[in-house]
Amino acid sequence: GENVEQHPSTLSVQEGDSAVIKCTYSDSASNYFPWYKQELGKGPQLIIDIRSNVGEKKDQRIAVTLNKTAKHFSLHITETQPEDSAVYFCAARPGGYQKVTFGIGTKLQVIP
Amino acid sequence: DAEITQSPRHKITETGRQVTLACHQTWNHNNMFWYRQDLGHGLRLIHYSYGVHDTNKGEVSDGYSVSRSNTEDLPLTLESAASSQTSVYFCASSESNREDTQYFGPGTRLTVL
Repeated sequence: GENVEQHPSTLSVQEGDSAVIKCTYSDSASNYFPWYKQELGKGPQLIIDIRSNVGEKKDQRIAVTLNKTAKHFSLHITETQPEDSAVYFCAARPGGYQKVTFGIGTKLQVIP
Repeated sequence: DAEITQSPRHKITETGRQVTLACHQTWNHNNMFWYRQDLGHGLRLIHYSYGVHDTNKGEVSDGYSVSRSNTEDLPLTLESAASSQTSVYFCASSESNREDTQYFGPGTRLTVL
């Protein structure tokens, strides 16, 4: 089955700086890569996703890049704000299935 | 507004007891999932369902069961609770054909003493 590795497990940045979270996946058949944000005491919420036919996707201050050859994808947050502090999960899903495999999560702390 | 709810939000039980966690969604989604979240392990899939009367085992299904008698509900049962099942449990749902986004409930924190 799919295996998703995520790093770092914790990340502290100064407000206004950029944050990068990296993930690798094992199944070359995976074609859907969502990113979820989990705020304290809440369930994860989708913030951005990318499909294997696209190399990069942006939504305001967040962007995701995908390298299918190397089987890795990354989340980039620019101009970080205190409200970006949360746990972020990457995930991968093989084509044709609704079941995704999650990484272990990255706890991001944005220091004011 | 459509939503996904879980109950109870917090539960303390004793080893050996049967526990059922409820999950209810009003999106009319076909797919429903149960995950557990533990430090160092992220979100691990317990069971999932692609529709009424369909259930499938995930990667950590031992000691858990689910049943899907209607579209809206997927209750998770711990047949004989163990301390290793102390965790935060999340239910999620997704629409089967048009999109992949999973919508998560608020979670249930379960403590097994």
